[in-house]
Amino acid sequence: KAGVTQTPRYLIKTRGQQVTLSCSPISGHRSVSWYQQTPGQGLQFLFEYFSETQRNKGNFPGRFSGRQFSNSRSEMNVSTLELGDSALYLCASSFQSPGGQETQYFGPGTRLLVL
Amino acid sequence: DAKTTQPTSMDCAEGRAANLPCNHSTISGNEYVYWYRQIHSQGPQYIIHGLKNNETNEMASLIITEDRKSSTLILPHATLRDTAVYYCIVRGGSNDYKLSFGAGTTVTVRA
Repeated sequence: KAGVTQTPRYLIKTRGQQVTLSCSPISGHRSVSWYQQTPGQGLQFLFEYFSETQRNKGNFPGRFSGRQFSNSRSEMNVSTLELGDSALYLCASSFQSPGGQETQYFGPGTRLLVL
Repeated sequence: DAKTTQPTSMDCAEGRAANLPCNHSTISGNEYVYWYRQIHSQGPQYIIHGLKNNETNEMASLIITEDRKSSTLILPHATLRDTAVYYCIVRGGSNDYKLSFGAGTTVTVRA
């Protein structure tokens, strides 16, 4: 099976712009989670989508939003970019095993640099 | 998530087994032990997980003590490509939806 793919891999934007990142989950996975990773804050949860619905949300401002399509592909959008938004944005897909455990598999990430 | 404690760093010789310890003394009965690793600037890679029995897959083995308060990840034949930060985390059931990584163990495999 192909792994989680994310596009683009690298992105440079300027303050005030907006950006859209894309994630294609592993085939058959219906849950997609987004994370922001920075050296200072580590891995921080943004939100999770399941069957096109946002199921869980982290503590990020409303500038960060996402959506999921019927084929489970997901996008996240960051509006009015700030310098502090520079980070590695990770997408992870998962499925629920019969025992209830969901193992998350990460994509390679999108490295965003805001100038 | 229950807290985990890992050594900050460790070195390993190429071709030798790497044994990575993790303490999780406050683990609950329904919580699993997961291991991920992250090679510099890449996405984290799932390695293995277990509840109470020892587990093995093509990447590694996971040994969980009988009281479940600690575990060891074993990379049987370390290669230079195994150099990475390894994260041990504890997760509950389906309601435990997000991952949280601690500082992890930086493993350096030397030729």
